[in-house]
Amino acid sequence: GAGVSQSPSNKVTEKGKDVELRCDPISGHTALYWYRQSLGQGLEFLIYFQGNSAPDKSGLPSDRFSAERTGGSVSTLTIQRTQQEDSAVYLCASSSIGTRLDFGPGTRLTVT
Amino acid sequence: AQSVTQPDIHITVSEGASLELRCNYSYGATPYLFWYVQSPGQGLQLLLKYFSGDTLVQGIKGFEAEFKRSQSSFNLRKPSVHWSDAAEYFCAVGSLIQGAQKLVFGQGTRLTINP
Repeated sequence: GAGVSQSPSNKVTEKGKDVELRCDPISGHTALYWYRQSLGQGLEFLIYFQGNSAPDKSGLPSDRFSAERTGGSVSTLTIQRTQQEDSAVYLCASSSIGTRLDFGPGTRLTVT
Repeated sequence: AQSVTQPDIHITVSEGASLELRCNYSYGATPYLFWYVQSPGQGLQLLLKYFSGDTLVQGIKGFEAEFKRSQSSFNLRKPSVHWSDAAEYFCAVGSLIQGAQKLVFGQGTRLTINP
């Protein structure tokens, strides 16, 4: 079946602009996660959604970052007033209850 | 709080040689442990996972890992590496929160294979 998809695959933006990154999880997966992978770094947890529960936003690095999950499916990660340090690959993952995470291909964000 | 340490940032081995990638975790309860691989230009792929039971876990592509509670370790092994194993390897520890796995990843180990 179809895996997790993300769009765009690449995004170049100017410092100070807002960006939106989209994630389509695997159908039926109740949990959705956003991670960030900076150059030469590991994966940094940002936020996750589980069903109708309040999202765990504990990993968001600043109030410029926010995320929504509409209808329990598609999610959008928004970064306002982008900074150069926001340049990274943003990875989305989804899972069924208690199982492994399935990752998408990522969105490479470059802030110039 | 959970944490994962992968002590080796970069490892180089010859094709056909054995491999062991180290992973140490910190977690207050029985952990869920994972190894993921990220090949160049590819997404993250699950190699294997440990939830409970047999402490020696078999994964895909000939990899295995052993959970050692006394050492808080979950090292990844392969008896004979292939050139296609060159990639970045991530160890992760997870906790079930409201039915969902919240994973904390290590910094990764980059594996280079010499011909």
